[in-house]
Amino acid sequence: GAVVSQHPSWVICKSGTSVKIECRSLDFQATTMFWYRQFPKQSLMLMATSNEGSKATYEQGVEKDKFLINHASLTLSTLTVTSAHPEDSSFYICSAREAEWRETQYFGPGTRLLVL
Amino acid sequence: GQQLNQSPQSMFIQEGEDVSMNCTSSSIFNTWLWYKQDPGEGPVLLIALYKAGELTSNGRLTAQFGITRKDSFLNISASIPSDVGIYFCAGPIYNAGNMLTFGGGTRLMVKP
Repeated sequence: GAVVSQHPSWVICKSGTSVKIECRSLDFQATTMFWYRQFPKQSLMLMATSNEGSKATYEQGVEKDKFLINHASLTLSTLTVTSAHPEDSSFYICSAREAEWRETQYFGPGTRLLVL
Repeated sequence: GQQLNQSPQSMFIQEGEDVSMNCTSSSIFNTWLWYKQDPGEGPVLLIALYKAGELTSNGRLTAQFGITRKDSFLNISASIPSDVGIYFCAGPIYNAGNMLTFGGGTRLMVKP
């Protein structure tokens, strides 16, 4: 149980294009989903928290117009990197949890983005 | 803020050896989580600890929730090559909607 999928697993795009990453909880309903970014040999950096049906809460320094998050249902959240640039290249990981009072987050397999 | 200090940062061991890593904080946590991240993958939950003093095993892995609630350790016995990866401790921040804060990770390398 507690499986989270992410799609695509990797993407290469040209600078200036937008990229959408999907995060799905497959066997549970996730009231909250999180989006992280991870640079090589570093820990996970939280970008934003999204609750189903409401606006995402972004961490300090994360541009909300750059990283659009939509949590339209209890099993799906999407992250859109708008007008991607090479500095946006990174490993993006989502996680999901069932309820705010639950502490355990279950992670997706990650999406590697390379912007040329 | 509530930061987790994880050590060691990296370990290079021989197959069959036991491994120990720990996580400490200046703040109290009521839950400790240990995750493993394989290269190019997302973190996978290994062990969750919910009670001070709790000792929990998952196969060759054993984790303990420190009695002061400010630390936790993870042991791996008889390491094998597939134990290679990065191990993260994590704890929820209660005044921030239970958002997780992560340690810096311990990178484990196992020599066959």
